[in-house]
Amino acid sequence: VQLLESGGGLVQPGGSLRLSCAASGFTFSTYAMSWVRQAPGKGLEWVSAISGGDDSTYYADSVKGRFTISRDNSKNTLYLQMNSLRAEDTAVYYCAKGTGGNYWRPIEPWGQGTLVTVSS
Amino acid sequence: QSALTQPRSVSGSPGQSVTISCTGTSSDVGGYNYVSWYQQDPGKVPKLMIYDVSKRPSGVPDRFSGSKSGNTASLTISGLQAEDEADYYCCSYAGSYVVFGGGTKLTVL
Repeated sequence: VQLLESGGGLVQPGGSLRLSCAASGFTFSTYAMSWVRQAPGKGLEWVSAISGGDDSTYYADSVKGRFTISRDNSKNTLYLQMNSLRAEDTAVYYCAKGTGGNYWRPIEPWGQGTLVTVSS
Repeated sequence: QSALTQPRSVSGSPGQSVTISCTGTSSDVGGYNYVSWYQQDPGKVPKLMIYDVSKRPSGVPDRFSGSKSGNTASLTISGLQAEDEADYYCCSYAGSYVVFGGGTKLTVL
């Protein structure tokens, strides 16, 4: 299993960014996928997840209405569209594979992460 | 969506046992048997150590065990080794979202 995130970078407050996670080594469409972030020197925070099979989506209150998770099963790729970014969204964003189709199943493995910095 | 409560730090000597607690509510930890634990070495990616309260993925030493009582889950590491020094995070299903604990730094003295 390999997960390769991309799309991170520096963005101004109020700006947008789209993260991608290219997956390989498993039947992508049948597994839930998650985004988890970690602010510098801080703990893990669950951001969003998408179920395998029916592609239902779920969000943390802190990003609801601003972030959108999606997947392209034909490209084995997970996305996170981030709009109206705030300084507190600054973090390393990890893409992670669920151990089943349901979004709440444990996540393993995790990608290496991509850094998003929101600053003027 | 409040984070689960973990002690900021715990410590133990090699060979000893340590327990890390994770306290939530009846809406998360207490309501479901879907608590997992992750180990994160400095600068590394988190690794799944325990899932469904007490199950160990293949490859995880049996020195690691999990349990739950009411709204509090626990991770116990027995026969502590220097390589166990890391940050540990609990995680629980909460009905319509997932929530992590604040993390516990384990120091092996």
